Amino acid sequence: DQQVKQNSPSLSVQEGRISILNCDYTNSMFDYFLWYKKYPAEGPTFLISISSIKDKNEDGRFTVFLNKSAKHLSLHIVPSQPGDSAVYFCAANPKGSQGNLIFGKGTKLSVKP
Amino acid sequence: GAVVSQHPSWVICKSGTSVKIECRSLDFQATTMFWYRQFPKQSLMLMATSNEGSKATYEQGVEKDKFLINHASLTLSTLTVTSAHPEDSSFYICSARDPSGRAGIDTQYFGPGTRLTVL
Repeated sequence: DQQVKQNSPSLSVQEGRISILNCDYTNSMFDYFLWYKKYPAEGPTFLISISSIKDKNEDGRFTVFLNKSAKHLSLHIVPSQPGDSAVYFCAANPKGSQGNLIFGKGTKLSVKP
Repeated sequence: GAVVSQHPSWVICKSGTSVKIECRSLDFQATTMFWYRQFPKQSLMLMATSNEGSKATYEQGVEKDKFLINHASLTLSTLTVTSAHPEDSSFYICSARDPSGRAGIDTQYFGPGTRLTVL
């Protein structure tokens, strides 16, 4: 049973518009969440994180929102750029774990010029 | 962010041979490293958790005698695919846990991956 779910396998957005990537989780025992970006044939790179005690974290064009009551988080990218085209993974860290993250299946974002 | 390297970046080998992949944390000490496998168009699959100085913890379904993991130092973990077969062909990615909080939290930094092709 998946604890971290990314229900949209793909998303296509026009350059300059907002990209919204969604992630749902089923376990309330996660203490923080992360987003990773992955290009083909490369390892994922850490993008942004949010603690479970916060509801928003912003870093440049990237903002992550956390809705604990809905067990939902989202990554907003604005404005979207063609270089943002990649697979985005949502990950959650269980409380007390040794950094053993639980990953979603990923969403492939395509930003069209 | 922290730097994690993997070597080799790609390898082609004959069926039945063994292949060793190295994962190094270059600018921090990683007491814990992770090994993942990614099949085409699929998500990352955690294979095992490697702790420095102790035996690796393998995920269900991963053969520990097939995928040997050694974490001999705080900056190096190795994955050896023994007696490789074509079905072992995949993209193997390691990550290193950085608990120092440089990202503001305890997180994993990933290596660039190793493409293994077994003929």
